[in-house]
Amino acid sequence: AQSVTQLGSHVSVSEGALVLLRCNYSSSVPPYLFWYVQYPNQGLQLLLKYTSAATLVKGINGFEAEFKKSETSFHLTKPSAHMSDAAEYFCAVTRTGTASKLTFGTGTRLQVTL
Amino acid sequence: EPEVTQTPSHQVTQMGQEVILRCVPISNHLYFYWYRQILGQKVEFLVSFYNNEISEKSEIFDDQFSVERPDGSNFTLKIRSTKLEDSAMYFCASSGTGTQAFFGQGTRLTVV
Repeated sequence: AQSVTQLGSHVSVSEGALVLLRCNYSSSVPPYLFWYVQYPNQGLQLLLKYTSAATLVKGINGFEAEFKKSETSFHLTKPSAHMSDAAEYFCAVTRTGTASKLTFGTGTRLQVTL
Repeated sequence: EPEVTQTPSHQVTQMGQEVILRCVPISNHLYFYWYRQILGQKVEFLVSFYNNEISEKSEIFDDQFSVERPDGSNFTLKIRSTKLEDSAMYFCASSGTGTQAFFGQGTRLTVV
């Protein structure tokens, strides 16, 4: 069985500040890990994914995440927050490498203030 | 950019009624999925569909649920007799041969 835990249901940062959204996973097999973003009234959009290649994964909109097996973590970062980054972010894991049976975290709502 | 389209965006139905949620996946995709998110809870996997049959399903996907690809473009989720606890946002997704799933904007189902 696999699961992900997202620490912090709400995170608030100032525009220009570092964004750090935390995700820890639990998996009995090598996991495939994903970060999705959901803007208001929109669907889930893939930000980036880890599929056992490079441990530092770069995604869209300047986001990146690092897979750390020793810490069972896959935290999402962005060096400088922009107002348009305000959204809900979901970490997800699957054992298959496809979009089947994705297990999602509870989500972190990112607020960006002036 | 191609996208997954879901209709309607919001559906209200009475308990015990049948509902059909519709999705148009991206045209050259082969894998199709339904997920749901009850308000305030996690997004949960319901079912995956490939080659005109269910390939995986969760324990949530019981006999009340069914999926169909009635023609070459639509992918539907039917709930036979809705319950209050079926109220949720339902997301359709599709993928090609890679690992990236494209999600629709969701259908909010409200059962009253």
